[in-house]
Amino acid sequence: EAGVAQSPRYKIIEKRQSVAFWCNPISGHATLYWYQQILGQGPKLLIQFQNNGVVDDSQLPKDRFSAERLKGVDSTLKIQPAKLEDSAVYLCASSPVSGYNSPLHFGNGTRLTVT
Amino acid sequence: AQKITQTQPGMFVQEKEAVTLDCTYDTSDPSYGLFWYKQPSSGEMIFLIYQGSYDQQNATEGRYSLNFQKARKSANLVISASQLGDSAMYFCAILPRAAGNKLTFGGGTRVLVKP
Repeated sequence: EAGVAQSPRYKIIEKRQSVAFWCNPISGHATLYWYQQILGQGPKLLIQFQNNGVVDDSQLPKDRFSAERLKGVDSTLKIQPAKLEDSAVYLCASSPVSGYNSPLHFGNGTRLTVT
Repeated sequence: AQKITQTQPGMFVQEKEAVTLDCTYDTSDPSYGLFWYKQPSSGEMIFLIYQGSYDQQNATEGRYSLNFQKARKSANLVISASQLGDSAMYFCAILPRAAGNKLTFGGGTRVLVKP
């Protein structure tokens, strides 16, 4: 099966600019996640979708970050305006079902550099 | 809230030898899953192995095995017969049932395999 697809692979922007990342989960996976991974740290959950509804966005900086999952398939994460501290790898993941025995499948990530 | 601790920031291991990566966790939920992921320098997160809190036997997956000590709240990963391709970051993660599929990661351990 095809894995989780993410684009772009790399992005460099200046602070105060906007940027968008795209994710297409594994076909049939109902749950989609966006994680932020700052260099040298473990990934941190930003937002979780179940189909096209938000399950958890408690750690999403909503003043500058937004995400949507129209039609319950692919998803877009946007940052506007970007800050220097947003430099990180943004990982998208999906899982087929809800459950504590279901591993998440990750994409290759988008490496964002804000200058 | 759940917490994962990986106390080894980095480790060297000789090729063909075994290495143990430490992971301790904290959760009040009796039902949870423990996961190990590998992250090579290319950035993708690769699922390695899963252990459920009610599993009686330690999980094994090829050269990967999990030393699960529930009373001590530890879930150490053992990689046997290390290969050069095992050089990567390794993350331990926990998913309590009550957390609604929110996977929490530790800080990671970097493994470098020496020829």
